[in-house]
Amino acid sequence: EPEVTQTPSHQVTQMGQEVILRCVPISNHLYFYWYRQILGQKVEFLVSFYNNEISEKSEIFDDQFSVERPDGSNFTLKIRSTKLEDSAMYFCGKEGGQGNYGYTFGSGTRLTVV
Amino acid sequence: QKEVEQNSGPLSVPEGAIASLNCTYSDRVSQSFFWYRQYSGKSPELIMSIYSNGDKEDGRFTAQLNKASQYVSLLIRDSQPSDSATYLCAVNPWTGGFKTIFGAGTRLFVKA
Repeated sequence: EPEVTQTPSHQVTQMGQEVILRCVPISNHLYFYWYRQILGQKVEFLVSFYNNEISEKSEIFDDQFSVERPDGSNFTLKIRSTKLEDSAMYFCGKEGGQGNYGYTFGSGTRLTVV
Repeated sequence: QKEVEQNSGPLSVPEGAIASLNCTYSDRVSQSFFWYRQYSGKSPELIMSIYSNGDKEDGRFTAQLNKASQYVSLLIRDSQPSDSATYLCAVNPWTGGFKTIFGAGTRLFVKA
């Protein structure tokens, strides 16, 4: 069983629609992260989530993005009004502490905005 | 702007050879350094972490760190075709924040 499960594996959405990407980490780590990777580009930091609060976010993570851990286990990334440039692989990751131990990533969600 | 630079490759080596992958970083106070392997269409997989100057070996992989030169490398001994992937260098800048900065990756091809 994978340590971090992401759903869906692929989502196609129309521009302007809202999408919710889900992540279920198996263990009770406190640090969770969302990264994205546009095709052919670098893996980019979006947001870190520690003890059920956002601890750091990048300039990419604007008002269109939000994260929640609604039931203490699932960890979601919501994009309110998708743009074409949001098309990317989105990776959820867990980590032992403040980025010092390396990430275990889920298998990712490929988001395609049309 | 904190940067992590890698040669994009592709780096092509014959099976059984040593593959040498290099990375430089801009933030001198960085403390944690990582190598990830990423197969096409898959998520990055952590293969090595290194925190102090010198070499760290794990199986066929050796990570080397030189903080004075702001340089990290990964050696893969006895390269196998299954090692063909993109290798991402990643650095935690240790500015009190949580994010890790990734390089663009080096594509490695191991020829059978």
